[in-house]
Amino acid sequence: EAQVTQNPRYLITVTGKKLTVTCSQNMNHEYMSWYRQDPGLGLRQIYYSMNVEVTDKGDVPEGYKVSRKEKRNFPLILESPSPNQTSLYFCASSPIGLAGGDEQYFGPGTRLTVT
Amino acid sequence: KQEVTQIPAALSVPEGENLVLNCSFTDSAIYNLQWFRQDPGKGLTSLLLIQSSQREQTSGRLNASLDKSSGRSTLYIAASQPGDSATYLCAAPSSNTGNQFYFGTGTSLTVIP
Repeated sequence: EAQVTQNPRYLITVTGKKLTVTCSQNMNHEYMSWYRQDPGLGLRQIYYSMNVEVTDKGDVPEGYKVSRKEKRNFPLILESPSPNQTSLYFCASSPIGLAGGDEQYFGPGTRLTVT
Repeated sequence: KQEVTQIPAALSVPEGENLVLNCSFTDSAIYNLQWFRQDPGKGLTSLLLIQSSQREQTSGRLNASLDKSSGRSTLYIAASQPGDSATYLCAAPSSNTGNQFYFGTGTSLTVIP
């Protein structure tokens, strides 16, 4: 089944403890992206990647890192999480990028709480 | 930077009614616009993708239109059902690179049986 998977789905952690949220897609998509969703603010893009080893900042990249070493995986890294990073996170992928007119496919989301 | 706005934030209608959800965007040089549905606590489901060269897209009881010149898109839902209750989001990419994606804050729809 074609899908975008994220792990973990739920995570409660403490301030400053490094964590990684994994994202994987099995559709051979070139474009992958991370978003966070907060009440009243909607979904905002954190980082995106056009292909392996190519990543760019979205609107809210501060406090996050990403890497794209393999086409299928796009992990989101929080080196030192803070309470303001408590949010619902979504990973998404698209065949060749949004400018090519492709739609995005979203993962199920990861609910992160930082205490 | 693209800004996407959805009005109203919430909408409640009786079952069977036809309804229109609105989406406006500031940068009209968009490549496409996408409508999503989100159920509470769940992920996003793509409903319709309209390319910049198209004016409408239809899927079942859903019809989305795109008017680039006015910076507006509408999602028309015919004969609404309680199962249509969800939050509806529209999103558009930036025009410069086309690879940054901007969402509206959504319209929360409740269809009353």
